[in-house]
Amino acid sequence: QKEVEQDPGPLSVPEGAIVSLNCTYSNSAFQYFMWYRQYSRKGPELLMYTYSSGNKEDGRFTAQVDKSSKYISLFIRDSQPSDSATYLCAMVRRGFKTIFGAGTRLFVKA
Amino acid sequence: EAGVTQFPSHSVIEKGQTVTLRCDPISGHDNLYWYRRVMGKEIKFLLHFVKESKQDESGMPNNRFLAERTGGTYSTLKVQPAELEDSGVYFCASSQSTITGTSYEQYFGPGTRLTVT
Repeated sequence: QKEVEQDPGPLSVPEGAIVSLNCTYSNSAFQYFMWYRQYSRKGPELLMYTYSSGNKEDGRFTAQVDKSSKYISLFIRDSQPSDSATYLCAMVRRGFKTIFGAGTRLFVKA
Repeated sequence: EAGVTQFPSHSVIEKGQTVTLRCDPISGHDNLYWYRRVMGKEIKFLLHFVKESKQDESGMPNNRFLAERTGGTYSTLKVQPAELEDSGVYFCASSQSTITGTSYEQYFGPGTRLTVT
């Protein structure tokens, strides 16, 4: 079983929709949770970085961590065609290596 | 401020040849990481430098891979001799050190796409 599970998609939504991206994990020791956005032929770009449980909001993006369910989410409000990319979740336990999900490909249609 | 840079952007070599990848981290970032993504798989950790010291090299596949970070600035990753399964995209990332230790806010470079034929 993988430590981090993420549906690779693709996920296709119309412009303006609310997008929900999710990851589940098995290691309850993970402390830091990140979401990266990766455009084609580019490196991952850090979007959100949270420690422990709870919500964090940044503009149209909201990251949610539920440690009791071992489940993290990224919500994108008012999605735009420019949001079309692969979204990667990642998590880490202090002192250990970062573990990435497989990435979800998102298409936002105009 | 310049981001993480990697060179070359793409390399095509034959099996058995040697390739050296270079990464220049963000200035002032003590932590430098190498990752690899092979087709259809997740990004996998290779190793972590703190300044010039290897903090964790548990992800290095085998002894054909050698990473160095002389002087704690740029880093190189050498593959010698290259095998077909080494093909993939090699990413470098860097992060700051903080009062409480390593920051896990990692900033990635664009990657080097390695093709071994």
